Amino acid sequence: GAGVSQSPRYKVAKRGQDVALRCDPISGHVSLFWYQQALGQGPEFLTYFQNEAQLDKSGLPSDRFFAERPEGSVSTLKIQRTQQEDSAVYLCASSLERSLAGLGDTQYFGPGTRLTVL
Amino acid sequence: AQTVTQSQPEMSVQEAETVTLSCTYDTSESDYYLFWYKQPPSRQMILVIRQEAYKQQNATENRFSVNFQKAAKSFSLKISDSQLGDAAMYFCAYRSGNFGNEKLTFGTGTRLTIIP
Repeated sequence: GAGVSQSPRYKVAKRGQDVALRCDPISGHVSLFWYQQALGQGPEFLTYFQNEAQLDKSGLPSDRFFAERPEGSVSTLKIQRTQQEDSAVYLCASSLERSLAGLGDTQYFGPGTRLTVL
Repeated sequence: AQTVTQSQPEMSVQEAETVTLSCTYDTSESDYYLFWYKQPPSRQMILVIRQEAYKQQNATENRFSVNFQKAAKSFSLKISDSQLGDAAMYFCAYRSGNFGNEKLTFGTGTRLTIIP
């Protein structure tokens, strides 16, 4: 029914704190993506899940970033020991699994979580 | 690695007129997909239109159409009969045709303003 939802919508953290950002994908969507969007920039890929398997984490900027999707539905992006450069909007997207015909793979985005690190 | 370039940070158009947003990309792949996404101030990204690289025919969706030039690696978006609700950031994006490589690579965006 509903689209992709993310919580919280806004998060303010002090430098050094840990944060957890949640994404609820569209029901039945197999694939889930996290992107980071810095101010005035386009989104940049962080990581991708198919069901509970993390198939691509090549975009995670450091080992302080960790994502999980233990039951193949809800996903959490965790950032440890936050730094000022982590300030950005974190977008989650979900999609069906791409078919052999290349269809069914449109990524639907959530509203994002704006993280500000002071 | 693939790159996407949008050379127009800002564009403006009179309501009811036509505007074209530019996008170029660089890739060594022959099979890929291209997308235009719209991001209104509310931040929710919405797919506007998509193009499969193997299709020669340009995609159209109502007032939105693309000019896909594969040899030139160009993918521009034309918006006809511009409406106030079209005001937003527009992002061009690339996705590989290889299964397993599902990520989108975005350009830096073009901010479109509609003048009443």
